[in-house]
Amino acid sequence: DGGITQSPKYLFRKEGQNVTLSCEQNLNHDAMYWYRQDPGQGLRLIYYSQIVNDFQKGDIAEGYSVSREKKESFPLTVTSAQKNPTAFYLCASSPGPGTDTQYFGPGTRLTVL
Amino acid sequence: RKEVEQDPGPFNVPEGATVAFNCTYSNSASQSFFWYRQDCRKEPKLLMSVYSSGNEDGRFTAQLNRASQYISLLIRDSKLSDSATYLCVVGMDTGRRALTFGSGTRLQVQP
Repeated sequence: DGGITQSPKYLFRKEGQNVTLSCEQNLNHDAMYWYRQDPGQGLRLIYYSQIVNDFQKGDIAEGYSVSREKKESFPLTVTSAQKNPTAFYLCASSPGPGTDTQYFGPGTRLTVL
Repeated sequence: RKEVEQDPGPFNVPEGATVAFNCTYSNSASQSFFWYRQDCRKEPKLLMSVYSSGNEDGRFTAQLNRASQYISLLIRDSKLSDSATYLCVVGMDTGRRALTFGSGTRLQVQP
């Protein structure tokens, strides 16, 4: 089955800890994205990558880091510098440029205890 | 002004009703337009792309008015299963090569 997977589905973190959220796609898409969604809010872009070994900051990159070492993988690290990390994190991919249709993974709910 | 603006709703309609959602976008150079559907605590899923000529998919019709920078979604014969949040999404090739999402309009179809 082709698609985007994210793990874990739920994640609990203590304050001061870094955590890494996984995102994998087998759609052979070039571009991948990370968004954050807070309750009752829209999606905000954290980071995006148009090609392997390259990525760009989105609107709210502070406190986050990413890597794109493989086409199919785009992990997101939420660092202790992120002051309000509790949110729903969504990964997406698209076949081509940034204006192309995006397909989403099921998301990871991160809660800071 | 937000780049993509939607009425947050909620729109509460009875089954069988016709409901319309509107969306405005700020960048006249926007290139691509979509409606996504998001169920509670789930990921957004593509409902339909929006073309200048308008397009229809079953009970759903999308329209684009580039002159007014306005997108609409019409749902006919509403079903209980249509209850969700509908996201207006615009692709603006402004150098930041990513889509911009509206905050969504919530629809609740009631029996």
